[in-house]
Amino acid sequence: QKEVEQNSGPLSVPEGAIASLNCTYSDRGSQSFFWYRQYSGKSPELIMSIYSNGDKEDGRFTAQLNKASQYVSLLIRDSQPSDSATYLCAVKARGGNKLTFGTGTQLKVEL
Amino acid sequence: DAGITQSPRHKVTETGTPVTLRCHQTENHRYMYWYRQDPGHGLRLIHYSYGVKDTDKGEVSDGYSVSRSKTEDFLLTLESATSSQTSVYFCAISELSSGRGTQYFGPGTRLLVL
Repeated sequence: QKEVEQNSGPLSVPEGAIASLNCTYSDRGSQSFFWYRQYSGKSPELIMSIYSNGDKEDGRFTAQLNKASQYVSLLIRDSQPSDSATYLCAVKARGGNKLTFGTGTQLKVEL
Repeated sequence: DAGITQSPRHKVTETGTPVTLRCHQTENHRYMYWYRQDPGHGLRLIHYSYGVKDTDKGEVSDGYSVSRSKTEDFLLTLESATSSQTSVYFCAISELSSGRGTQYFGPGTRLLVL
């Protein structure tokens, strides 16, 4: 079992719709959770971080964390073609200094 | 954007030659990391540093060595490059005392080993 799992996609959504990206993790001691966006040929860019159960909103992005079920999700409202990218989920264990990344979900926002 | 640069940005080399990649930061962050990214594998940690001259191995460290003689510089050396080391290499930095472990990435180096 992979430590951090994501559906590779592609996930296709129409422009203006809500895109929902999911991530599950295996280490119950995980403490910090991150979503990175990576455009083709570019480096990962942090878009959201979340540390406690519940929702965290930042503009069109909402991160949701459920530690009991060991999943973290990212919602993108009013999806735009510019949101087309690969989204990486990353998890940090309690007390650790390393991140474990999922393999990413490719999102395609279609006109 | 975090002040992270990587050099070179692109490199083509031959099997068996040594290669050194450089990561330079202007943020004075304590932690620095080297990752490789390959299709189907995502980002995998090669080595990391938690201070000057303090380094440790990641999950894919075989064939790689690192050095950190200054806070701002972290070097990754492929001692004898192989075709399996063809990849995109990313450096990242972190300051655990803030942001709870958030890592910021450099622009990457594309390495082709022929």
